Amino acid sequence: GNSVTQMEGPVTLSEEAFLTINCTYTATGYPSLFWYVQYPGEGLQLLLKATKADDKGSNKGFEATYRKETTSFHLEKGSVQVSDSAVYFCALTDPYSSASKIIFGSGTRLSIRP
Amino acid sequence: NAGVTQTPKFQVLKTGQSMTLQCAQDMNHNSMYWYRQDPGMGLRLIYYSASEGTTDKGEVPNGYNVSRLNKREFSLRLESAAPSQTSVYFCASSENPGSQETQYFGPGTRLLVL
Repeated sequence: GNSVTQMEGPVTLSEEAFLTINCTYTATGYPSLFWYVQYPGEGLQLLLKATKADDKGSNKGFEATYRKETTSFHLEKGSVQVSDSAVYFCALTDPYSSASKIIFGSGTRLSIRP
Repeated sequence: NAGVTQTPKFQVLKTGQSMTLQCAQDMNHNSMYWYRQDPGMGLRLIYYSASEGTTDKGEVPNGYNVSRLNKREFSLRLESAAPSQTSVYFCASSENPGSQETQYFGPGTRLLVL
């Protein structure tokens, strides 16, 4: 079945460091891929998405590229800030589903030190 | 716009008690979802409603029922709560069903079953 695997946390970085959070997926066909972010005490919100191979999603300095050949969608940011501290979820949707049922990874907690 | 709202924010139940979690969205979305979030497991879909008047089971529906009361509201009911249902519950909505749709999440309801 469809699944998402992302690197385990917690990840702790200093401010202005480079960030990579790895995400790989297993799916039939061509799923849409997402990164959601959950700030402390809040619900999830969409960070970025890509709907076809080689698409790059970007938002707030974060980027991720849909790599069909490696079944990956790694999240990157060149210079993190303390305000980026949150839990990040990689996710995909089943292209053969009549509803947008999201399959989430287990989440990666990111902490940024000032 | 308030987006997706959930009530209550926090609830403590005894085993065997019943309760209903309420969810409403003001974005005129057609599709709504209920998820539970457990440590280290990401979010898992309980039930969803692709459109008003329809509901379908997700990945973990046992012990729950739902009602799509109207286009705005989608409630989740626990008839006889069990400690295994201790979790954080998130409601979400999307404009339409479909694998490329973005889902918008509420702030969550934290439920403790003793």
